[in-house]
Amino acid sequence: KAGVTQTPRYLIKTRGQQVTLSCSPISGHRSVSWYQQTPGQGLQFLFEYFSETQRNKGNFPGRFSGRQFSNSRSEMNVSTLELGDSALYLCASSLSGKNTEAFFGQGTRLTVV
Amino acid sequence: QKEVEQDPGPLSVPEGAIVSLNCTYSNSAFQYFMWYRQYSRKGPELLMYTYSSGNKEDGRFTAQVDKSSKYISLFIRDSQPSDSATYLCAMKGQGTNAGKSTFGDGTTLTVKP
Repeated sequence: KAGVTQTPRYLIKTRGQQVTLSCSPISGHRSVSWYQQTPGQGLQFLFEYFSETQRNKGNFPGRFSGRQFSNSRSEMNVSTLELGDSALYLCASSLSGKNTEAFFGQGTRLTVV
Repeated sequence: QKEVEQDPGPLSVPEGAIVSLNCTYSNSAFQYFMWYRQYSRKGPELLMYTYSSGNKEDGRFTAQVDKSSKYISLFIRDSQPSDSATYLCAMKGQGTNAGKSTFGDGTTLTVKP
């Protein structure tokens, strides 16, 4: 069974640009959650999508947005990039998100210069 | 104060030692408790997933949850050099917040041959 696939694995962007990251969940999983991981803040929850609807949202500015498609694949977008957005962005998929385990992808390492 | 506090480490032990990793939490709404292992430059890998208070064993790993004390632990028996990684505790609630996990900051473990 294929795991969670995140693309691209690495990205370098310039301040002010925007970026789109992609996550393909495990087949059959309908919940996708996104997290930001930095050395100083650890793993912080961004948002969760289930059946193409945002079900939960963390405390991040509106520059961070996401969406989910009918095949459960999800994208997250960060606009007007700041240096502080440099981080490992992880997505996790689960069957329903509620009482089921979440499995992480390898992450996308974003560097903003 | 953070909702989840994890013993910071780092922890260095000889091969074959028993390792104890610990987290405390303050949010009574947390119902599900997870332990993840993260190797450098990889996404977190789910090790244990528990719901109720008590112990759950899987090979060399035992997860312990004490909801009355808001305290969870992960024990690793007969530790191996391949166990060297960062261990993250995570927790989530039920209902509308069940898709959002809150993580500890991680404990870095080194097992020396």
